[in-house]
Amino acid sequence: KAGVTQTPRYLIKTRGQQVTLSCSPISGHRSVSWYQQTPGQGLQFLFEYFSETQRNKGNFPGRFSGRQFSNSRSEMNVSTLELGDSALYLCASSLAPSTGANVLTFGAGSRLTVL
Amino acid sequence: AQSVTQLGSHVSVSEGALVLLRCNYSSSVPPYLFWYVQYPNQGLQLLLKYTSAATLVKGINGFEAEFKKSETSFHLTKPSAHMSDAAEYFCAVTPSGYSTLTFGKGTMLLVSP
Repeated sequence: KAGVTQTPRYLIKTRGQQVTLSCSPISGHRSVSWYQQTPGQGLQFLFEYFSETQRNKGNFPGRFSGRQFSNSRSEMNVSTLELGDSALYLCASSLAPSTGANVLTFGAGSRLTVL
Repeated sequence: AQSVTQLGSHVSVSEGALVLLRCNYSSSVPPYLFWYVQYPNQGLQLLLKYTSAATLVKGINGFEAEFKKSETSFHLTKPSAHMSDAAEYFCAVTPSGYSTLTFGKGTMLLVSP
């Protein structure tokens, strides 16, 4: 079956702009999580959605937001982009968020470059 | 709160040599532990997971890891390195009952012929 699909794979924006990233989870997976990966900070948790509700949020400013649709697809948005937002944004899906035994399956990521 | 420490940002081995990547964790509750691998320009792929069953966990591509509670460690090993193992490896922890992962900083494995 198809894996986690993230679009776009690469994008370049300038400071002050906003960006929307999309994630389609594995069919049947209802939980979607987002992580930011940078060389300096490594992998950091952004947020987790299940049944269109945000269940958990990492320590990021309000410029970072997300949502989940009824078909479990998710989007994340970053407004007023800063140079430090340049990163690989990874989406992961799982069956449900209830236990850690639910393995996260990651997409290939969206690489954002802010100029 | 939980945290993960991976000793060594880079590890170099020769092809055929033992691979040992170190991971120590801190968790206030019984943890679930994971190793993921990331190849260039790709996402993370699960190698193996520990979820309180057997302490020696076997994963894909010949990797295994042993959960040692007394040492709070979950080191990743492979008896014989292959060139295709060159990648970045991440150890991650989550408290049992949750799914949000806390990752280590990663260890880049370099394999020389």
